[in-house]
Amino acid sequence: SQTIHQWPATLVQPVGSPLSLECTVEGTSNPNLYWYRQAAGRGLQLLFYSVGIGQISSEVPQNLSASRPQDRQFILSSKKLLLSDSGFYLCAWSPGLATQYFGPGTRLTVT
Amino acid sequence: GENVEQHPSTLSVQEGDSAVIKCTYSDSASNYFPWYKQELGKRPQLIIDIRSNVGEKKDQRIAVTLNKTAKHFSLHITETQPEDSAVYFCAASTYSGGGADGLTFGKGTHLIIQP
Repeated sequence: SQTIHQWPATLVQPVGSPLSLECTVEGTSNPNLYWYRQAAGRGLQLLFYSVGIGQISSEVPQNLSASRPQDRQFILSSKKLLLSDSGFYLCAWSPGLATQYFGPGTRLTVT
Repeated sequence: GENVEQHPSTLSVQEGDSAVIKCTYSDSASNYFPWYKQELGKRPQLIIDIRSNVGEKKDQRIAVTLNKTAKHFSLHITETQPEDSAVYFCAASTYSGGGADGLTFGKGTHLIIQP
C-alpha cells in the first residue's frame, strides 16, 4: 500500500531564516505531488504541484519554492521566512486520477 | 481560476439527525468534487468524492449530490454520531488522463454534533 511521509512534524523558525520541508511517498511510482498551506482556522491553499521530476507548477506568488529531485520526493523551500509563512503545510499525492491523499503535515511557526 | 463557496461555516445538529453542507463552484470545466473531514490538528481525510459523470454517490451514512447545471454539490450525513464532529471541506478540480490540477477548497464547515 502507499504511504506518504512528511518531516519535520513541527518546526519553529525565526523570521529571515531558511526553510526546507520534505515529503516522500512510498509504494507507488510517478505520482502527482502537491503542496498546500493551511493558515490557523482557515481552508487549504494550493501552493505547488508536480506531475513529474523537475516539473513544478506554482499557484501563488510568494517567497516559497518547490523542487522534485526524485520521483517520489517533493521539497518545499524558502530562503527567508516571513511571519505570514506560519501555518500547517500539507503534502498530498495522487495516482493521477484526481483523488488526493494528504500526508501528516508540518506545523510551522515563524517567530 | 476556480472559486469554491461553502455554507454554512458552522452547523450544529442533534445526534441522530441529518446534516447537509452545500458548496458552489465557478469553473464549468471542473469535473472532480471530493469531500474531506479534518479533526483538530490532523490531516484532512477523504470521505467521499464524485465525478461529473454521475449525479449522486452514497457510502453508508454519507452521500454526495452534484448538480452540474447549477454548479453546486452537497454532502449529506444521516444518523449523525458524536464522532462526526469535525471540520468538513469541499473541493473542486479538473482532471484529464494525464493528471490533475490541484484542488480548490471551500473555507470549511465546523460540524458540531450535540448529544
